[in-house]
Amino acid sequence: DIQMTQSPSSLSASVGDRVTITCRASQNINNFLNWYQQKPGKAPKVLIYGASSLQSGVPSRFSGGGSGTDFTLTINSLQPEDFATYYCQQSSSPPLTFGGGTKVEI
Amino acid sequence: QVQLVQSGAEVKKPGASVKVSCKVSADTFTNYYIHWVRQAPGQGLEWMGIINPSGGTTTYAQKYQGRVTMTSDTSTSTVYMELSSLRSEDTAEYYCARSLGYCSGGHCYGTVHFDHWGQGTLVTVSS
Repeated sequence: DIQMTQSPSSLSASVGDRVTITCRASQNINNFLNWYQQKPGKAPKVLIYGASSLQSGVPSRFSGGGSGTDFTLTINSLQPEDFATYYCQQSSSPPLTFGGGTKVEI
Repeated sequence: QVQLVQSGAEVKKPGASVKVSCKVSADTFTNYYIHWVRQAPGQGLEWMGIINPSGGTTTYAQKYQGRVTMTSDTSTSTVYMELSSLRSEDTAEYYCARSLGYCSGGHCYGTVHFDHWGQGTLVTVSS
């Protein structure tokens, strides 16, 4: 199975900050990497797919980068509604696997 | 309108089985694949498997092989996930989610990201 490692596991930030979350795959997954946002009591919501493609309806302050084994999710100018937990997920081969999550707190 | 509507919360005893349903819109049933993802309380996300609703073919995560069965009912556009031999560690929120791409035979094809999710079904396993 492909292991996905996210860092940090949590971070504190302020409104307006630029935040970067990293995700590392245990083997080359090309650009088969997706990012999700989850708020308490809610289902996850996809932000980025294919490593860098912005899902329709997602604000442009979210961006994704990387390929191979190392990936990033960047949130420019953090907004109050962005405080949530973020997960990466590889879709290179089954079983599909998720990172452990990054909680973005005030 | 895209809809994935799941059945309600369940409480089961250890050793029992649970069957969770996910009713989807007709377009989703015909053109998308449905996955099941679970999340234990306070924990991360875990993929359980995928089903092609219209054809019924499935791929399960090895961890659940022999315990999970995913089926579909074309007459009601509903997908089901049944998990047997329940134990306390199976207490979790269970989600259905759809993707355009699919995974089979050790490979994934197309973009396999979950663009719509059900609202979740809490399954509690307790004696």
